[in-house]
Amino acid sequence: AQKITQTQPGMFVQEKEAVTLDCTYDTSDPSYGLFWYKQPSSGEMIFLIYQGSYDQQNATEGRYSLNFQKARKSANLVISASQLGDSAMYFCAMREGMGETSGSRLTFGEGTQLTVNP
Amino acid sequence: KAGVTQTPRYLIKTRGQQVTLSCSPISGHRSVSWYQQTPGQGLQFLFEYFSETQRNKGNFPGRFSGRQFSNSRSEMNVSTLELGDSALYLCASSFGQTTNEKLFFGSGTQLSVL
Repeated sequence: AQKITQTQPGMFVQEKEAVTLDCTYDTSDPSYGLFWYKQPSSGEMIFLIYQGSYDQQNATEGRYSLNFQKARKSANLVISASQLGDSAMYFCAMREGMGETSGSRLTFGEGTQLTVNP
Repeated sequence: KAGVTQTPRYLIKTRGQQVTLSCSPISGHRSVSWYQQTPGQGLQFLFEYFSETQRNKGNFPGRFSGRQFSNSRSEMNVSTLELGDSALYLCASSFGQTTNEKLFFGSGTQLSVL
């Protein structure tokens, strides 16, 4: 079974509008972290936001917020007030386990290509 | 503060050759992990090095190997290249000590195998 599922291969949004990118995950580990990364055409992966499985509040970072629904195993990214520069591929990723032993192993979803129209 | 640096940016090799990719992490980071990105398989974890020791390994054949030096710089080697090894290879660095750390990625090395 896929550990991370992003069901939207492509999304379009008008500039200044909000957009939600979907991510569902599958794990039996009670300790895990969820990440969102942005990958522009240059190739570099840019960290956007992090949510830990024990975090009580939904994470926010500027225009980015994470709609974390633990029971549904979903971690959707919300981008408010979209900008042209937000056009990129967006990846949801999960790290299972805690501490040094879990290391830096991320499992990525397939990605969602977001296009912001003027 | 300098970011994660990967060299070279582009590489063209032929089948059967071997290749070495380099990754210099952010100063102070002790963990370097490597990922392969292809259109068909997406992003897949190769391995992670922490303080010169391999801490995690993905499901790749033994042709893929790596190492980490005392200054935390890491190299990845692929021997006997196959056409399917054509991919963007990304490395990421972090302190490697807590689960909620973000990984900082480099711009990648685009490898083409002809």
